[in-house]
Amino acid sequence: DSGVTQTPKHLITATGQRVTLRCSPRSGDLSVYWYQQSLDQGLQFLIQYYNGEERAKGNILERFSAQQFPDLHSELNLSSLELGDSALYFCASSAGRDRPYEQYFGPGTRLTVT
Amino acid sequence: GEDVEQSLFLSVREGDSSVINCTYTDSSSTYLYWYKQEPGAGLQLLTYIFSNMDMKQDQRLTVLLNKKDKHLSLRIADTQTGDSAIYFCAESMSEDSNYQLIWGAGTKLIIKP
Repeated sequence: DSGVTQTPKHLITATGQRVTLRCSPRSGDLSVYWYQQSLDQGLQFLIQYYNGEERAKGNILERFSAQQFPDLHSELNLSSLELGDSALYFCASSAGRDRPYEQYFGPGTRLTVT
Repeated sequence: GEDVEQSLFLSVREGDSSVINCTYTDSSSTYLYWYKQEPGAGLQLLTYIFSNMDMKQDQRLTVLLNKKDKHLSLRIADTQTGDSAIYFCAESMSEDSNYQLIWGAGTKLIIKP
């Protein structure tokens, strides 16, 4: 158990809908990363937050957004969903200052868009 | 640009050593990682190596880095059935890039009895 939690574990929704994925980092970790794992494109970095502020953006679509709250949990919002958004979405956390290069992953949320 | 390549499959006999290879293109990579993903599970950080190191050993795992050839390998000694998984190689740059990970496609390790 990495200490990173993600909810829900599975999500099935229809095209055009909007969903929110939630992540709680390890206790004390300030940095949260979101990654997408799909059959087509493998693992891709989406976005990073550090202590509430956006730090880096990767291949994140404009229909997707994220935020990190004062209690350090993070949410990834996916809107106007398309079939191609079906994927496993991972959240990872790292300490920020102490060993920031070690990222620990949650179990993922499997999103199925029908 | 950034690119990490791995072969897709490796088949080994139980008890033998497994060697999983990875090549990367970005010479500014500072940290290189190996993650393990078991079926239906998340990504487990196995080990990592700093770019100024050649080798790192941790129990049954040995990581070798050839920075000149941009080649990273993971050796698993005495491979067991519990080692069946997909192994991902990943790289990240220095603090400027906030350590976001660039991933290989993963190598599926198949254990033959």
